[in-house]
Amino acid sequence: QKEVEQNSGPLSVPEGAIASLNCTYSDRGSQSFFWYRQYSGKSPELIMFIYSNGDKEDGRFTAQLNKASQYVSLLIRDSQPSDSATYLCAVNTGGFKTIFGAGTRLFVKA
Amino acid sequence: DAGVIQSPRHEVTEMGQEVTLRCKPISGHNSLFWYRQTMMRGLELLIYFNNNVPIDDSGMPEDRFSAKMPNASFSTLKIQPSEPRDSAVYFCASSPSFTGSPLHFGNGTRLTVT
Repeated sequence: QKEVEQNSGPLSVPEGAIASLNCTYSDRGSQSFFWYRQYSGKSPELIMFIYSNGDKEDGRFTAQLNKASQYVSLLIRDSQPSDSATYLCAVNTGGFKTIFGAGTRLFVKA
Repeated sequence: DAGVIQSPRHEVTEMGQEVTLRCKPISGHNSLFWYRQTMMRGLELLIYFNNNVPIDDSGMPEDRFSAKMPNASFSTLKIQPSEPRDSAVYFCASSPSFTGSPLHFGNGTRLTVT
């Protein structure tokens, strides 16, 4: 079992719709969770981080964490073509070690 | 804030040659990470340092790979001898020294071994 699992996609949504990206992790002791966005040929950039159960909102982005279910999600409201990218879920498994999922490719159709 | 600086941006070399990748972390960041990204395996953690000390190198694929951090502002990842399967994008990232802090990535080095 991979430590951090994501659906590779591609996930295709129309412009203006809500995109929902999901991630599960295997280490129940994980404490910190991150979503990174990576455009083709570029480096990953941080979008959101969440440490506590529940929802965290930042502009059009909402991260959701459920530690009991070992599940993290990212919602993107009012999706724009510029949101088309690969979204990487990352989990800090203890100390400084951060493990990444394989990423979900998102396409937002204009 | 200059960000994490990696060099070179691109490296093309022949099988058997030595390759050295370089990284300068963000000033004040005490943790440094080396990742490798391929289509097949995604983003893999190779090794990370805290306060210049290697903490976990379990991701280093084999003895051909080595990494050093001689001071707080410089790290190298060396592959000797290189093989075609080492072709990938290598990212360096740094973060402040507290558990769970986000990573700041460099622009990466695209390595091609022919």
